[in-house]
Amino acid sequence: SAVISQKPSRDICQRGTSLTIQCQVDSQVTMMFWYRQQPGQSLTLIATANQGSEATYESGFVIDKFPISRPNLTFSTLTVSNMSPEDSSIYLCSVDRSRDTQYFGPGTRLTVL
Amino acid sequence: AQKVTQAQTEISVVEKEDVTLDCVYETRDTTYYLFWYKQPPSGELVFLIRRNSFDEQNEISGRYSWNFQKSTSSFNFTITASQVVDSAVYFCALSGYSGQGAQKLVFGQGTRLTINP
Repeated sequence: SAVISQKPSRDICQRGTSLTIQCQVDSQVTMMFWYRQQPGQSLTLIATANQGSEATYESGFVIDKFPISRPNLTFSTLTVSNMSPEDSSIYLCSVDRSRDTQYFGPGTRLTVL
Repeated sequence: AQKVTQAQTEISVVEKEDVTLDCVYETRDTTYYLFWYKQPPSGELVFLIRRNSFDEQNEISGRYSWNFQKSTSSFNFTITASQVVDSAVYFCALSGYSGQGAQKLVFGQGTRLTINP
């Protein structure tokens, strides 16, 4: 399985600010995914990030709020912009490393005050 | 549209008991994948198993077993002789198949399993 790291592991932020979350993989992957898990809830896909193309966003998520970069095949960032308390969640990146199976990073726990 | 239902929100059993986690799914795709993931208290999501829609064979891995039945659109997960370390939230998930890599995962609401000593 892939070795996936995320930074920061957790953060507490003030409303109105932005936070950029990094996802690093130990080998090249074509597809990376960003999910959100609100407190006590399931996971919901925010967007799919392929290297060299614009991210594809799911319904309910927009680029202005969650801009994503994918500069190479081992790295991606997700920014949570103009944060409000409703953005408090765990944000997870995942990659397709083997047989159409997604492996997940450890997640970033975000609290917005 | 794809949908996954895990009707059991929470389950609590005593150690060494067997426990089954239910998963029912909906999809119009003829080819699809089903998954189970484990989320321990630390928060990371751990992959347990993947099943494709053409493979209805049951699978056993140690104390874990999975029963896939297309006729009832179910993919249930059984833990035999449960242990305290099995305590976690378990998610069932569904994805389509495109032949071009992993697709969006649609998750169930999760079942919080507590194993008491």
